[in-house]
Amino acid sequence: DIQMTQSPSTLSASVGDRVTITCRASQSVNNWLAWYHQKPGKAPKLLIYKASSLQSGVPSRFSGSGSGTEFTLTISTLQPDDFAIYYCQQYNTYWYTFGQGTKLEIK
Amino acid sequence: QVQLQESGPGLAKPSETLSLTCTVAGASTNSNYWSWIRQTPGKGLEWIGSIYYPGSTYYNPSLKSRVTISLDTSTNQFSLKLTSVTAADTALYYCAGGHSSYFDHWGQGILVTVSS
Repeated sequence: DIQMTQSPSTLSASVGDRVTITCRASQSVNNWLAWYHQKPGKAPKLLIYKASSLQSGVPSRFSGSGSGTEFTLTISTLQPDDFAIYYCQQYNTYWYTFGQGTKLEIK
Repeated sequence: QVQLQESGPGLAKPSETLSLTCTVAGASTNSNYWSWIRQTPGKGLEWIGSIYYPGSTYYNPSLKSRVTISLDTSTNQFSLKLTSVTAADTALYYCAGGHSSYFDHWGQGILVTVSS
């Protein structure tokens, strides 16, 4: 299986900050990568697919980049609603795998 | 608006079969991909398998020998069967759907505990 490793595991930031989360794959996943966030007691919500395509209805402050084995999710200006756990997911092979998550918390 | 809802027993006995159903509203199960994913504090999010009409299935190789996912377009539902369950199968189970192999829409999740 392809291992997905996110960094950092925890990120402390303030409203208005620009933040970046990194996801690394153990082998190339081309650009078949999605990002989600999850709030307590809720299901994950799709933010980005195909590495950089913004899901309909998701605010433009979210952006994704990368290809191959290294990807980033950037939130340009943090809003109170953005504090959550963020996950990447690869779908390059028929063994889809997720990163372990990055908890974005209020500083 | 696409909505998914998991249903089934919240408790399963060791060695028995876990059976869950996902009811889809706002989309048709005779198109798109439909999937099961589970979440535990220890292993995080784990993809179980997916099905695409009329019945192509893709399973997590680590679970493949125990998993069956099926589609019922007449009721707009899809189902999960996981055999020979153990305590390690205790998890929050989500059904999900989408246009591709990522997950646009998720159910709210159902907690299944494996215990005698």
